[in-house]
Formats: sequence, structure tokens, C-alpha cells
Amino acid sequence: NAGVTQTPKFRVLKTGQSMTLLCAQDMNHEYMYWYRQDPGMGLRLIHYSVGEGTTAKGEVPDGYNVSRLKKQNFLLGLESAAPSQTSVYFCASRPGLGAYEQYFGPGTRLTVT
Amino acid sequence: DQQVKQNSPSLSVQEGRISILNCDYTNSMFDYFLWYKKYPAEGPTFLISISSIKDKNEDGRFTVFLNKSAKHLSLHIVPSQPGDSAVYFCAASSLTGANNLFFGTGTRLTVIP
Repeated sequence: NAGVTQTPKFRVLKTGQSMTLLCAQDMNHEYMYWYRQDPGMGLRLIHYSVGEGTTAKGEVPDGYNVSRLKKQNFLLGLESAAPSQTSVYFCASRPGLGAYEQYFGPGTRLTVT
Repeated sequence: DQQVKQNSPSLSVQEGRISILNCDYTNSMFDYFLWYKKYPAEGPTFLISISSIKDKNEDGRFTVFLNKSAKHLSLHIVPSQPGDSAVYFCAASSLTGANNLFFGTGTRLTVIP
């Protein structure tokens, strides 16, 4: 039981390049989340999903897109990376209604130059 | 606008003494609160939670206190151990709607042996 895994762990992009971050969970959780963590800002919600095939915007969605084609996977895409997207990205999941604790992956450190 | 605030960026405590981490919130719709612990290069891990119907919840060395009228909660760690050295995030949620978590900016706890 691996829990929540994230791929890749590190990445360096040039401005304007695109990439996709993959999150996978093996706990059969309904809800999945993408956060970014910046110094002095805590964790901020980018997008989330309440089930397979659904997505919704969080606090800071601009510049990102997401997809949840399979229940166990939640993809975060950057179509045209900007230096302001340099951050540590965390994926999380939780079982569903009635269970509020979220389980986090180890994070992806992204640098955009 | 930061709805969950942790006004102390850092805290140092001697081993064996009590650590008290504080958190304030502004949104009166929040009715469920969580504490997460984060080590460097790892994702946050759930520590303890409390519902607004309670004013105290205890789990081993960790106790969370909630003062709804003051919109304030605190995490007490007794006795503090060097392995408790980490960044602690407070998070809040409303039990209605999407139940998304809103995080504070974190407090770095250092327990001195």
C-alpha cells in the first residue's frame, strides 16, 4: 500500500515549456487535491476533484489545468510555465464525505527559469 | 485574504517541556479543525483534529484546544521530544459544501535536546 505517490520528485522547466505532474493513490479515495506551497504562504489549493471525471477550481487555479480520467489518478498540467509557478506541489486525497483528513504525497519541487 | 493564521513562524522549546502552537481563524463557517506535521522534503501528515462541538481533543502527548468565541485553537505537545521538531500547519474546514481545507502559514517547532 503506497498511499499517495507523485511523479516526478523534481523538475526544472524553462519559461513557456509545458509539463504534467502525476498523482496516484491506491486507497480508493474519492476526493483528490492539488496544492502549492510557497515560503510564508502555507498550502494553497489549486484544483480538486470529488470523483472520477470531475474537477473544480480552488483558490489559485490560474495557469493550471487538471484531469481525473481514472479514480486513482489526478493530473496537474502547466501549459506554459512561468517563473511565478516555481513552487513545491503536493497532491492529497481523502476517502469522501464524512472523512475530513487528507493524506498527502511527498511533493514535487518545480523550478521555472 | 488569509482565513487561517499562525502568527508565530517559529518556536523553540527544551526537551521535556510543553510546546504550545497557536492558530486563529476568521471565517465563522469553519467547524472542523486539523493539525498537520511536516518534515523537510516530505508531505504533511495528519496529527490530530477537533470538531466545533468539542473544546478539547487529546491523543497521547498531543492535545488540541478550541475556543470558538475567540476563533482560536492551540496544539499542546507534552512532553516535547526532539523528534517533534518539524513545521506544524493548522487547517480549517466547513462540514458543509466541498469540505476543502484552508491552511495557515505554519510554525516551525524546534525541540532542543
